[in-house]
Amino acid sequence: DSGVTQTPKHLITATGQRVTLRCSPRSGDLSVYWYQQSLDQGLQFLIQYYNGEERAKGNILERFSAQQFPDLHSELNLSSLELGDSALYFCASSSPGRQLYGYTFGSGTRLTVV
Amino acid sequence: ILNVEQSPQSLHVQEGDSTNFTCSFPSSNFYALHWYRWETAKSPEALFVMTLNGDEKKKGRISATLNTKEGYSYLYIKGSQPEDSATYLCASNNNDMRFGAGTRLTVKP
Repeated sequence: DSGVTQTPKHLITATGQRVTLRCSPRSGDLSVYWYQQSLDQGLQFLIQYYNGEERAKGNILERFSAQQFPDLHSELNLSSLELGDSALYFCASSSPGRQLYGYTFGSGTRLTVV
Repeated sequence: ILNVEQSPQSLHVQEGDSTNFTCSFPSSNFYALHWYRWETAKSPEALFVMTLNGDEKKKGRISATLNTKEGYSYLYIKGSQPEDSATYLCASNNNDMRFGAGTRLTVKP
């Protein structure tokens, strides 16, 4: 157990639907990062939150949004889902003092859009 | 280089062979270079973090070097074992963390 918890582990939904992925960071970590891994592509950075505020944005579609709550857990909302959104979504966490130790990843949520 | 690039994309070696692969990254606004080991159905696991030009890190049979001026890092595995089979990801921390597509290593017994 890495300390980063992601739920659900698997999700199957239909095109056009909306889903919410949840991430609880490692205890003490203030930053949460969301990544998408699809087919043979590497990890694509989506968005970062630090202590409740958006810190950096990557290749996140307008149909996707995220937020980080006061208890530091984060949710990634994916709407108007398309077949191409099927992917493995990872959450990672870090804190300023631990940045040099790298990120701690959750086990991912596998989203299948049918 | 705007993105993080890794080569080769995949590699098949025999048990006992030594191998290495490359990560190229943007050298501007560089903060740190991370290597991760990613086994199927598991989350990426941190191997090394390097920040200084010329840094070398070692963990058992795996080692890594860093050249921040030219923007590359090498990962070496000495005497590969079947359990080393995994995807090796590098990530460059410039203004944000960007991952390469990974090198998929398969070690045959």
